[in-house]
Amino acid sequence: EVQLLESGGGLVEPGGSLRLSCAASKFPLNNAWMNWVRQAPGKGLEWIGRIRSKADGGTVDYATPVKGRFNISRDDSKNTLYLQLNSLEIEDTAVYYCTTFSFGGGWGQGTLVTVSS
Amino acid sequence: DIQMTQSPSFLSASVGDRVTITCRASQGINLYLAWYQQRPGKVPQVLISTASTLQSGVPSRFSGSGSGTDFTLTISSLQTEDVATYYCQKMSGPFGGGTKVEIK
Repeated sequence: EVQLLESGGGLVEPGGSLRLSCAASKFPLNNAWMNWVRQAPGKGLEWIGRIRSKADGGTVDYATPVKGRFNISRDDSKNTLYLQLNSLEIEDTAVYYCTTFSFGGGWGQGTLVTVSS
Repeated sequence: DIQMTQSPSFLSASVGDRVTITCRASQGINLYLAWYQQRPGKVPQVLISTASTLQSGVPSRFSGSGSGTDFTLTISSLQTEDVATYYCQKMSGPFGGGTKVEIK
């Protein structure tokens, strides 16, 4: 059973940065394609991006609204996925989830990022 | 960019009714379509992946169909516990806007 645990959320001022982590367990992260998804308060789900496994090139695709500001990376030796958030805007306030369709799939519980002055 | 369009955005039906939600992709996505259920205050749960593969533990009253650009989620007999918002997603891609399902 896939287990994912996000951390690193919090309160940040507009223009600031934050790095989110997603600790993976109960499956081999190095063979998984991983996604980040967010949900603003009272809104729908928004896909942020996806990183392929190293064996499949390790490349990353981003949704247009975050391209150039957000960066997805992975450290398979630590079983951890990352999301670097830069140049944060008030509209980036959301719960951020890491997810995968690999190995039966799963979502973490999410971590809340609040962008406010 | 691919866009996913769901309809309807809101649906009210009676217990036992057959419910259908549709999802249209702006370009062909083969079978790379997933359906999610999100109950209020909860993490989304995947119901179906690759258009029609029911995930483990999901009741058999849920089914998915379609390919290319047009997809359907069907609940064969609506139950009270199915009150939720349902989303389609191009797998590892954009989501539809969601369909809120309520009991009449």
